[in-house]
Amino acid sequence: NAGVTQTPKFQVLKTGQSMTLQCAQDMNHEYMSWYRQDPGMGLRLIHYSVGAGITDQGEVPNGYNVSRSTTEDFPLRLLSAAPSQTSVYFCASSYGSVANTGELFFGEGSRLTVL
Amino acid sequence: GNSVTQMEGPVTLSEEAFLTINCTYTATGYPSLFWYVQYPGEGLQLLLKATKADDKGSNKGFEATYRKETTSFHLEKGSVQVSDSAVYFCALSENTGRRALTFGSGTRLQVQP
Repeated sequence: NAGVTQTPKFQVLKTGQSMTLQCAQDMNHEYMSWYRQDPGMGLRLIHYSVGAGITDQGEVPNGYNVSRSTTEDFPLRLLSAAPSQTSVYFCASSYGSVANTGELFFGEGSRLTVL
Repeated sequence: GNSVTQMEGPVTLSEEAFLTINCTYTATGYPSLFWYVQYPGEGLQLLLKATKADDKGSNKGFEATYRKETTSFHLEKGSVQVSDSAVYFCALSENTGRRALTFGSGTRLQVQP
């Protein structure tokens, strides 16, 4: 049972480069989200999706794009990387309203360094 | 807006010691409250939850009680083990609108044998 799979696990970019962090889940979850984790700041929501074709902004969306063409996949795109985007990124999914269940299923994270 | 405040770490304890990690929150309405745990090199996983005032969540020997009057949700365990070494995050839900979780900054627990 794979759960939530993120790739790559590690990536180093130069300022201005673009890249996509991949996220896939095999649990048929409608809700998917991206968080970034920074020291002393916990996790902050970047973007989320409540179903295929539906996305919305979270707390820190600037510099990131998302799309949701299928239930399984929710890629996060950095169009022009900046050093401020150096962070650990987590994809998470939920089978219902996260407000009720609170149970987000997390991937193992992707550590991104922007030089 | 909503916010969660946790005690700063690291918290270093000897095996079998009593653990308390403080968590207080600010929220509109009546949020649900959660504790997540992150073991080294892994993603977060739900440890326990409470959905209304005076509820007690429990799992793996950990407990937390939803105290509306003090807006707190402190995590406790009577006897910690080395395997409990991890980062613990307190979180609350937004019951309207964005359907997201708001996380605290995390507290690292180190348990020494």
